[in-house]
This record gives sequence, C-alpha cells and structure tokens, in this order.
Amino acid sequence: NAGVTQTPKFQVLKTGQSMTLQCAQDMNHEYMSWYRQDPGMGLRLIHYSVGAGITDQGEVPNGYNVSRSTTEDFPLRLLSAAPSQTSVYFCASSEPDSSEGAFFGQGTRLTVV
Amino acid sequence: ELKVEQNPLFLSMQEGKNYTIYCNYSTTSDRLYWYRQDPGKSLESLFVLLSNGAVKQEGRLMASLDTKARLSTLHITAAVHDLSATYFCAVDEGSNYKLTFGKGTLLTVNP
Repeated sequence: NAGVTQTPKFQVLKTGQSMTLQCAQDMNHEYMSWYRQDPGMGLRLIHYSVGAGITDQGEVPNGYNVSRSTTEDFPLRLLSAAPSQTSVYFCASSEPDSSEGAFFGQGTRLTVV
Repeated sequence: ELKVEQNPLFLSMQEGKNYTIYCNYSTTSDRLYWYRQDPGKSLESLFVLLSNGAVKQEGRLMASLDTKARLSTLHITAAVHDLSATYFCAVDEGSNYKLTFGKGTLLTVNP
C-alpha cells in the first residue's frame, strides 16, 4: 500500500517557469490538501479538496492552482514560479471525521532561482 | 483566524530527563494532532486527540487535550536520543482537511 505519493522529490525551476507537482493517493480518501513548509513557519495550507471536482483556497493560495478530476489525484500547479515559492511542499489525504488524522506524502523540495 | 502557538520552539534535553511541550490555540476545536518530523523526512502521525480530556500514550510520549483551556501538551518521559526530531501540533478547523500547524519544536536529546 503506497499511501500518498508525490513526484518529483526535487525540482529546480527558473523564475517565470511553470510546473506541476503531482500527488496521488491509493487509500480512496475523500479529502486532499497541499501544504508548504518553510523554515520556522511550520506548515501552511495552500489549497484543499473535499472531493472530486471540489477545491478551495487555504491560507497561502496565491501563485498556485489546483484541480481534482479524480479521487486519487490532486496536482498543484505553479503558474509562474517566483523565488518566494522556494519551499518544501507536502500533499496530504484524509477521511472525514477519521480518527487517524491526515497522511502525508514524502514531500517535494522546490528551488526557484 | 486560527492561531496555534507552540513552546518552546527549541528544546535541548539530557537523556533521562522529563519535559513538556505546550500547544495553545485560539479557537474552539476538539480535534488536535501531534506529528513528528525527522530531518528531510515527511510527517509521521503520533497522536490524534478528538475530545476534551483525551489522553494518549505511546512509549515515552504522552499527549493530552484540554479544549476549555485550548491547550494540548506533549510530555516526554526519560528522554532518549531517538526522540530527537521536530514535533508539530496541528488543530483541525474542518473535520480533517484544514489543519493549522504550530511552528514546531526542535527537540535535541543529548547523551
């Protein structure tokens, strides 16, 4: 059981480039979320989805787009990368009212130069 | 806006000692999580606290939740080096999909 899989693990982008961070889960979870982790800031919610076709903004959504066409996949798109988006990105999945909490992927370390 | 404050942010302990990490939050919620993160790794779920007065224990770690005080604690008993990591608390705003995290406590256990 793979859980939550993120690709790529590492990425370097030039300012202005676009890219998509992939996230897939095989637990049939209804909820999926994207967080970014910066030193001394904890994790901050970027976007989340409560089901296929339903997404909403979190605390720091600017510069990012998401879509959820299937239960399994929740890609995060950077439209025009900026150095301020240099961060570690984590995808998570969970079930409503579950006693297990959220499961996190291994993370994508993104550097924008 | 929900705020989650952890303290201390840095904790250096000797092996064998006890200590407590505190997590205060600013809104009514009865769902709180503790995670552990090793350097360069993902987050590992430690405890899920779902009601006022909840207490959970795993090995040398014990977590509790007081929703009236809006406070959770993570108590470390007789620390060992393997507990060195960053510990995060996170408060659930929306039933498992909208977590607000504290800034984390970097715990270093010295021999």
